[in-house]
Amino acid sequence: NAGVMQNPRHLVRRRGQEARLRCSPMKGHSHVYWYRQLPEEGLKFMVYLQKENIIDESGMPKERFSAEFPKEGPSILRIQQVVRGDSAAYFCASSPGPEGAQYFGPGTRLLVL
Amino acid sequence: GQQLNQSPQSMFIQEGEDVSMNCTSSSIFNTWLWYKQDPGEGPVLLIALYKAGELTSNGRLTAQFGITRKDSFLNISASIPSDVGIYFCAGGGTYKYIFGTGTRLKVLA
Repeated sequence: NAGVMQNPRHLVRRRGQEARLRCSPMKGHSHVYWYRQLPEEGLKFMVYLQKENIIDESGMPKERFSAEFPKEGPSILRIQQVVRGDSAAYFCASSPGPEGAQYFGPGTRLLVL
Repeated sequence: GQQLNQSPQSMFIQEGEDVSMNCTSSSIFNTWLWYKQDPGEGPVLLIALYKAGELTSNGRLTAQFGITRKDSFLNISASIPSDVGIYFCAGGGTYKYIFGTGTRLKVLA
C-alpha cells in the first residue's frame, strides 16, 4: 500500500525559471494539502484541494504560485519565475476526508540559485 | 494568527530515559496530531487525538489531548537511539493544521 508520493525529491532552478512539483496521494485519498517548510521551522499550510477543486488557498502567495488536482493524474504545485526566497521543502499530504489525520509524502526540496 | 508553542526546543537525553514534550496554544483545537520527522524526509504520523482528555498510546509513545483543548503532551518511554529526530505537534479544527516549531531530540547511547 504505497504512501504519498512526491517527485522530484530535489529540484534546482535558477531565478526566473518555473518549478513544478508533483504529488500522488495515498490510494483512496481524495483530499490533498500542500505545506512549505523553511529550515528549522514547522510546516506552513499553503493550499487544500479536492479532485478538480481548490477548497482553500489562503496560505499560498497570490502571485507566481498555483496548484491543481486534476481528475486524472497527480496534484501539481507550480511556482513561476522562482526567486531565492522560494527555496524550501514543499510537502504534500493527503487524507481520506476533510477532517482527521493527514499523511505526508517525502517532500520536494527546492533550491533556487 | 494562531500560534503553537512547542517545548522544549531541543533536548539531549541518555538512552533508556523517558522524554516529555508539549504544545500549548491560545486557541482551542478539535484535533491534535503528533509527527516525527527524520532529516531529509517527510513527517510521519505517530498519534492522532480527537477528543479532549483522550490518552492514546502507540508502542512506547503516549500522547494526551489536554482537557482545555489548548494543549497536548507526548511522552516517549525508555528512549532508544532511533528515537532521534524532530517531533512536531499540529493542532487543527478541520483540514487546516497549525504546526509547532518542533522538539529536536538527541539520544546519547
